[in-house]
Amino acid sequence: RKEVEQDPGPFNVPEGATVAFNCTYSNSASQSFFWYRQDCRKEPKLLMSVYSSGNEDGRFTAQLNRASQYISLLIRDSKLSDSATYLCVVNPDRGSTLGRLYFGRGTQLTVWP
Amino acid sequence: DGGITQSPKYLFRKEGQNVTLSCEQNLNHDAMYWYRQDPGQGLRLIYYSQIVNDFQKGDIAEGYSVSREKKESFPLTVTSAQKNPTAFYLCASSWTSGGQSSYNEQFFGPGTRLTVL
Repeated sequence: RKEVEQDPGPFNVPEGATVAFNCTYSNSASQSFFWYRQDCRKEPKLLMSVYSSGNEDGRFTAQLNRASQYISLLIRDSKLSDSATYLCVVNPDRGSTLGRLYFGRGTQLTVWP
Repeated sequence: DGGITQSPKYLFRKEGQNVTLSCEQNLNHDAMYWYRQDPGQGLRLIYYSQIVNDFQKGDIAEGYSVSREKKESFPLTVTSAQKNPTAFYLCASSWTSGGQSSYNEQFFGPGTRLTVL
């Protein structure tokens, strides 16, 4: 079983739509969770860290459900510039000093005008 | 400006040649990583290093080698033993737990696209 699983999509939504991505992780001891954004042929960039209580940054909301071992990302009022691949990322190591991360394959989002 | 640089951006290699990809960071991060990304695939960890003069194999280390002689630098050599080296190579760095960030988010360089001719 993979450490991190994501629906690869693609998700195609109109501008202004609300879209949600889910991701599941296999290690119940996982401590840190992130969403990264990757534009075509570019490097991944940190979008949000995911905190236990959930967190919001403008139009983006991240939620963590430890009981079900999934993480979600909600994008409200989608913009054309939100078109990208969204990577779910998990640090499964409790107490690790390295912080090795496991990356999902990514969910592709296209926002159309 | 602080950041991570990788060079070259594009690299072409003939079969049987070794090539070295450069990665430098001035973020004062302790840990550095090398990943490989193939089209439509997630990132796969090749090697990582938590401290100078020490590094560990990741999930796909065969055919690759690294060194960590300086905190700022973590070059990756793709050897002729790597059977299918054409890919997008990404270098990343982070603080380790107990440092300035407890969440260990990684920061990436712009990547090197390697093509075997």
